[in-house]
Parts: sequence; structure tokens; C-alpha cells
Amino acid sequence: GQNIDQPTEMTATEGAIVQINCTYQTSGFNGLFWYQQHAGEAPTFLSYNVLDGLEEKGRFSSFLSRSKGYSYLLLKELQMKDSASYLCAVTDSNYQLIWGAGTKLIIKP
Amino acid sequence: DTAVSQTPKYLVTQMGNDKSIKCEQNLGHDTMYWYKQDSKKFLKIMFSYNNKELIINETVPNRFSPKSPDKAHLNLHINSLELGDSAVYFCASSQDPRGGPSTDTQYFGPGTRLTVL
Repeated sequence: GQNIDQPTEMTATEGAIVQINCTYQTSGFNGLFWYQQHAGEAPTFLSYNVLDGLEEKGRFSSFLSRSKGYSYLLLKELQMKDSASYLCAVTDSNYQLIWGAGTKLIIKP
Repeated sequence: DTAVSQTPKYLVTQMGNDKSIKCEQNLGHDTMYWYKQDSKKFLKIMFSYNNKELIINETVPNRFSPKSPDKAHLNLHINSLELGDSAVYFCASSQDPRGGPSTDTQYFGPGTRLTVL
């Protein structure tokens, strides 16, 4: 079966750095997405990785290792508004998007 | 300006009723999706349409029927509502899931919170 694993919940301090990990086992691979979802709102696109390595976008970076079936989302200089769920999703060989259950990130002052 | 819109935003109804949720996108995308997100926040794909044709139909009860009158609209009709149907339903669209990062990204509507009493 297809599977995406990420921690259920993480806590971090304002101003700090946090890394949210995602491991996947899918039928083929055509890219990995990270989405942010604030409580009561829709998911919004954060990043996309299809090649190995690090993609940086301001305070957010996403890393991919296809051989390990592994990605992480790195958030720097955490702000209270970063409190949200972060969803990892992988496009499989049929171009279907397989979603993880999301990691709820709690930021404390 | 709204890219993906859904109506209604909230829907409260009795068990056994039939209801519809409407979705429209003005992004010119070819593909549209319906997702269900339950209380555990897990996002589950229900249906996907590409240019009005059904391309994904996950294991969903027959009571759920999508309808795509044109590629900008994908409506969801639910018959004989059950308590377990209570969830948030998200509509999303993308240009082309085969096209890579510029075309694969899904844009979500604001969601419809369905409560079945």
C-alpha cells in the first residue's frame, strides 16, 4: 500500500528553528509537496521538490532524498503565525496525490 | 478574485436528507478534486475530474455523486446523509497533474463544513 508518515504534533519556541520530517512509500514518485493548513482554513501550497536537495524559500526550506523516501520542511525564525498543520503529499506514478495526515505545529512564546 | 470558491460554507442538515455542495474555479484549470477532511484532519481524496471526465473515484459510497457541467465547475451531491458524513469537504483544482510544479499544484477552496444531526 501507499503510505506517508509524519509526526502528529510538534512544539517549538518563537524565534527558533523546527524541522518536520516526512517519509513515504508510494507506487512511483513524481514529486513531493508541502502544504500549510491553519485551523479552520484550506490547505495552501508551500513547496514542491522533485529532485534531490534543498529548496529554499525565505524562512521555509524543503529537502528531498528520493533514495531514502524522505523529506523535511525546515522553518526558521518561527513566528506565532506559523502555528498550523503541515501536510506532506506525494504524487505517485499515476499522478495521484497521496496525502499524509499532517503535523500540527504549536509555537510557544 | 476568488480562485476556487465553494458554497455553502456551512451546511447543517438532518440524517436522511439530500444536499449539494457547489464548487467553481476561475483559474482556467483542467482538473478539479473533491476531498473529505474528518475530525482527525486526514485529507482524503474522493473524486477527480479532468476536463469534465472522471479520472479518480476512490472508495466512496454511491450516495456521493459528483457532477461536472463544465471544466470550471465540480459539484458534489450527497443522498441520504448519514452521521458519518459530517466533515469538512474541500474542492481543489490544478492545471494538469502530469505537468510538474507549475501545473501540479492544487489550489483549495475554503471548505464546506457539513454537520449531519
